[in-house]
Amino acid sequence: DVKVTQSSRYLVKRTGEKVFLECVQDMDHENMFWYRQDPGLGLRLIYFSYDVKMKEKGDIPEGYSVSREKKERFSLILESASTNQTSMYLCASSFPSLGQWAFGDGTRLSIL
Amino acid sequence: AQSVSQHNHHVILSEAASLELGCNYSYGGTVNLFWYVQYPGQHLQLLLKYFSGDPLVKGIKGFEAEFIKSKFSFNLRKPSVQWSDTAEYFCAVKMTGGFKTIFGAGTRLFVKA
Repeated sequence: DVKVTQSSRYLVKRTGEKVFLECVQDMDHENMFWYRQDPGLGLRLIYFSYDVKMKEKGDIPEGYSVSREKKERFSLILESASTNQTSMYLCASSFPSLGQWAFGDGTRLSIL
Repeated sequence: AQSVSQHNHHVILSEAASLELGCNYSYGGTVNLFWYVQYPGQHLQLLLKYFSGDPLVKGIKGFEAEFIKSKFSFNLRKPSVQWSDTAEYFCAVKMTGGFKTIFGAGTRLFVKA
């Protein structure tokens, strides 16, 4: 089974802090994604990457950046955290031609 | 812009009742379609997917979904729900050859024991 591991299950940070969310997958997947999940809004794509050092903006990239230095790791960065970034963050990876998709357990981030 | 609509935000059923959750998308091209389930406190899991072929897709735990291209729909069904089906269900659509997958807002299902 594909395993997608997010470094933290719960995280509490202060407004203005720089926050790093880490995600690692173990199946050599090409594509990796960061979503946030908010009640009534479903999953919204923040950024995705289809190769090392490649990144594309999703639907709500403002206030975020990403880094993919190695194929297995995709980091989400909140440059200066704000309270409206309090949310559940989900990392996913995929190998489209094999129909493989997997999500991490999620990181519940609270910005105080 | 492409979008995915799930008609019900909350559904409450008694055990053994039949379930149908609606999902419609707006995109004229070829799509891959997915249903995911998220049980309380757990991560998202793939329930079933449609890429091509038979439009009636069977997934895990007795779920199935039917792709009706003319209606841009991919409704999820289960003949008889159980208390353990209490979860949030997400429909998702990916344009074939593209990278982005668009998710619906989710439907919360509560099954009364």
